[in-house]
Amino acid sequence: RKEVEQDPGPFNVPEGATVAFNCTYSNSASQSFFWYRQDCRKEPKLLMSVYSSGNEDGRFTAQLNRASQYISLLIRDSKLSDSATYLCVVSRSNDYKLSFGAGTTVTVRA
Amino acid sequence: GAVVSQHPSWVICKSGTSVKIECRSLDFQATTMFWYRQFPKQSLMLMATSNEGSKATYEQGVEKDKFLINHASLTLSTLTVTSAHPEDSSFYICSARDPQGINGELFFGEGSRLTVL
Repeated sequence: RKEVEQDPGPFNVPEGATVAFNCTYSNSASQSFFWYRQDCRKEPKLLMSVYSSGNEDGRFTAQLNRASQYISLLIRDSKLSDSATYLCVVSRSNDYKLSFGAGTTVTVRA
Repeated sequence: GAVVSQHPSWVICKSGTSVKIECRSLDFQATTMFWYRQFPKQSLMLMATSNEGSKATYEQGVEKDKFLINHASLTLSTLTVTSAHPEDSSFYICSARDPQGINGELFFGEGSRLTVL
């Protein structure tokens, strides 16, 4: 079983729509959680960290459910520029080794 | 913010040659850098942890003699793919943590796309 699993999508949504997707992780000892964004043929860039209480950054909301071992990302009022692959990233400890999901592709259409 | 730079961005080489990729932290000192590889439509896979002044730590299944890592200074780590073959063609990305950064964010280099003919 992969350490981090994501629905690859693609999620094709119109501008202005809300899109949400989850990621599951297998190691219950995981401590840190992140969503990264990766554009085609580019390096990943941190979108947001995910905190136990859930957190919001503008149009983006992240949730963590430790009991069920999943994290989620919700994008409100989608923009064309939100089109990208969103990587779920989990760290088991504070040694900064990260485990990456394969990514969920989101395409926002005009 | 902190920046990590990789060079070269693209490299095409013949089978059997060696290719060196550089990863630099531009405005912070990184005692630890990480090297990843990403095949198309797959997740980033950690290859090794590069430690300044000591030997790199390789993940299971990664050949240390094929992927040579040198971390000679606090701002530079290099990955050398020795005797490259077509199956080594991939997107190689490094990352480093700014110890002064918030939440321990890792910054990624721009990536180096290797094509072995």
